Amino acid sequence: DQQVKQNSPSLSVQEGRISILNCDYTNSMFDYFLWYKKYPAEGPTFLISISSIKDKNEDGRFTVFLNKSAKHLSLHIVPSQPGDSAVYFCAASASMSGNTGKLIFGQGTTLQVKP
Amino acid sequence: DGGITQSPKYLFRKEGQNVTLSCEQNLNHDAMYWYRQDPGQGLRLIYYSQIVNDFQKGDIAEGYSVSREKKESFPLTVTSAQKNPTAFYLCASSARTEWGQPQHFGDGTRLSIL
Repeated sequence: DQQVKQNSPSLSVQEGRISILNCDYTNSMFDYFLWYKKYPAEGPTFLISISSIKDKNEDGRFTVFLNKSAKHLSLHIVPSQPGDSAVYFCAASASMSGNTGKLIFGQGTTLQVKP
Repeated sequence: DGGITQSPKYLFRKEGQNVTLSCEQNLNHDAMYWYRQDPGQGLRLIYYSQIVNDFQKGDIAEGYSVSREKKESFPLTVTSAQKNPTAFYLCASSARTEWGQPQHFGDGTRLSIL
């Protein structure tokens, strides 16, 4: 049972354009969402997060949007740069999960930014 | 620099053999986690520990064991009972196991069967 889904395995965009990565979830108890970026042979790096009390969080070129009614979040990267090429994972947690800090991850989307 | 160190980077296991993956952090984090990543899949939680001398099973704990004798160390043993151990293993830590605490990851260990 995949509670967090990234339905696009890959995405290719031109340098300078917008990259939009999508994530859907099924568990309505999730109230905290994160995006991680991963290069080959390295561990994931935390990128940006959003709590369910917000619908948007911005950090430089990265913006995360949350649509609770649709159980959908997206990561926008503007402008995209070749160094952004990596695998992006979304993750979710529920504050009612007994304070375990447990994260549920999606399958990942490979972003390629072409020069 | 503060961070999480996983060793070795590559590890090979023979049939019937137990192997131990090392994870050390100098971030003074209370919580530590072990994940497994398979191709085309997200990270799945194996075990986690919120405090020294305490740990809990994650979603796929069968065939694995852990210990947390020191705050900075959380080794994972892949036992012979784990029939499909080939995967990329990631260790993570966070300041507290509370809502809103991002986890910080090491660079992983790739385990293969000989």
